[in-house]
Amino acid sequence: QITLKESGPTVVKPTQTLTLTCTFSGFSLSTSGVGVSWIRQPPGKALEWLALIYWGDDKRYSPSLTNRLTITNDTAKNQVVLTLTNVDPMDTGTYYCAHTLWGPCDYWGQGALVTDSS
Amino acid sequence: EIVMTQSPATLSASPGERATLSCRASQSININLAWYQQRPGQAPRLLVYHASSRATGIPARFSGSGSGTEFTLTISSLQSEDFAVYYCQHYNARPPYSFGQGTNLEMK
Repeated sequence: QITLKESGPTVVKPTQTLTLTCTFSGFSLSTSGVGVSWIRQPPGKALEWLALIYWGDDKRYSPSLTNRLTITNDTAKNQVVLTLTNVDPMDTGTYYCAHTLWGPCDYWGQGALVTDSS
Repeated sequence: EIVMTQSPATLSASPGERATLSCRASQSININLAWYQQRPGQAPRLLVYHASSRATGIPARFSGSGSGTEFTLTISSLQSEDFAVYYCQHYNARPPYSFGQGTNLEMK
């Protein structure tokens, strides 16, 4: 059974760095074709794809955020960490991590709501 | 960057009716397209991948079609639980693997 859960701060201040952790079970990031994606959704708006880490440590980022995003994998803990630097009010929203198998996101976490303190 | 455009933005329909949702890519994405359903307060759920393959546990009333730049999600006979927001997403070659802006399927 594949499960994922996002964790991190619920409130961040402008210019701070946001660190979100996706803790997963039921799969391995060492398996060919497997990855973990991060997607966010501002309140009342559409989904926005942010980043993806595939097996073999292949990392892919949204070009519009590539200078602010970092995705890493902690194999021992079954966790994928997303950091977003220099947070501003536009970064408010629900952040999801999802199991990705050769592209589509077939299992999703429940989401973590992040609000800007301003 | 590939832009995904969904139409219509809002679709009003009644239970039992057929619903057709469209998604267009700004350049060819072959069949590297997924459809998701999102109910209020919930995470998205994968319905269709590779343009026409139903995900595990998805009812047969959901079907996807298309290739290249034009794609369709059809719900053959709407059930009450189908009224939700639907997103398409491409995963072709280079990122970003962008989503469309969504179609809100509402009950008439």
